[in-house]
Amino acid sequence: EVVMTQSPATLSVSPGERATISCRASESINTKLAWYQQKPGQAPRLLIYGASTTAPGIPARFSGSGSGTEFTLTISSLQSEDLAVYHCQQYSTWPPTTFGQGTKLDI
Amino acid sequence: QEHLVESGGGVVQPGGSLRLSCAASGFSLTIHGMHWVRQAPGKGLVWVAFTSYDGLNTYYGDNVKGRFTISRDNSKNTVYLQMNRLRVDDTAVYYCVKDMRYLEWIMDVWGQGTTVTVSS
Repeated sequence: EVVMTQSPATLSVSPGERATISCRASESINTKLAWYQQKPGQAPRLLIYGASTTAPGIPARFSGSGSGTEFTLTISSLQSEDLAVYHCQQYSTWPPTTFGQGTKLDI
Repeated sequence: QEHLVESGGGVVQPGGSLRLSCAASGFSLTIHGMHWVRQAPGKGLVWVAFTSYDGLNTYYGDNVKGRFTISRDNSKNTVYLQMNRLRVDDTAVYYCVKDMRYLEWIMDVWGQGTTVTVSS
């Protein structure tokens, strides 16, 4: 199976600053990568798919990039409501689809 | 608005069984694959099972293969997860999740989750 590794495990950023989260795949997944946001006590929500396509209703400050094995989620100007755990997921090879271990974003 | 509501979670002893249900509204299940994804306390997301839009193809994670069965009743717009021979490490919040499009496991709608606790 494809192993997904996120870094860092925890990220502390001040409001208005830029936040960058990385996700690495154990083999090439082209751009078959999605990002999810999970706020405390809530279910995950789709943010980005195809590595860089923003899902409907997602604010423009969220963007994704990368291909192959290296990917990045960027939040351009952090808001307090962005406090959450962010998960990456590969859907290039399934079953199984696999997730990273998550990155906790502290504001 | 597309919506998923899970039910059926609870506390069960090791070796016991539970059946989770997932009721869909705002869209038709007949054209979407559906997943179950779980999250143990304080841990990450783990994919559990998938059923194709017509129920003819099902897939399972290695940790649940042979113990869990995913099924669907498109006439009731409902997906099920039958969980047998439950183990302590099956303890988790179980999410029902909709596939965004055919043959791409992009998960665009999530239920609120139902909690399963396996404990003696």
